[in-house]
Amino acid sequence: ESVLTQSPATLSLSPGESATLSCRTRRSVSSSYLAWYQQKPGQAPRLLIFGASSRATGIPDRFRGSGSGTDFTLTISKLEPEDFALYYCQQYSSSGFTFGPGTRVEI
Amino acid sequence: QLHLQESGPGLVKPSETLSLTCTVSGGSISSPDYYWGWIRQPPGKGLEWIGSIDYSGNTYYNPSLKSRASILVDTSKNQFSLRLNSVTAADTAVYFCARDIRAFDYWGQGTLVTVSS
Repeated sequence: ESVLTQSPATLSLSPGESATLSCRTRRSVSSSYLAWYQQKPGQAPRLLIFGASSRATGIPDRFRGSGSGTDFTLTISKLEPEDFALYYCQQYSSSGFTFGPGTRVEI
Repeated sequence: QLHLQESGPGLVKPSETLSLTCTVSGGSISSPDYYWGWIRQPPGKGLEWIGSIDYSGNTYYNPSLKSRASILVDTSKNQFSLRLNSVTAADTAVYFCARDIRAFDYWGQGTLVTVSS
């Protein structure tokens, strides 16, 4: 069983719609240690959200992180064309870092 | 603006040692507030954290790679490095270096390392 699960695997939406991405951890995680990243082809991941709900520098407010315990959510409101990408959640624990398998948001 | 850049061989033979260096510019690696980490991504697959180090050399590693990975820091050059020994084809990946704040906020562009004879 994976430490982190993300659902759905793929989300097919249109620009202007809202996206809701889920990340579930096997054990309860401190909210301080849950992050979300966006990755586009050929690029490094970009930190969107840290501490479950804090936006990283320069991240638009249409990206919102929420959740606690074992269930976390990334909500992207009013999708822009540049938001279609792969999204990973990541947790930090005493064993170090683990990334989820990702959710692809496609047009 | 903090900038990280990976460097090292793009091709490594099976059973040999992979060595990469990350050069940090626009900020000091000697800040006590941060760790510095390595993450890898096999082609078409997800992200895997390898390990992290702070300015004084304190390290922590992914348990699955701990026996083969070694991370060092050189504050005089504002660099940190990764060595991964006994590589196999499964170690073929894009290797990223990044600043560790218990999340990774600044990343290098990544470098592809292929393990092949």
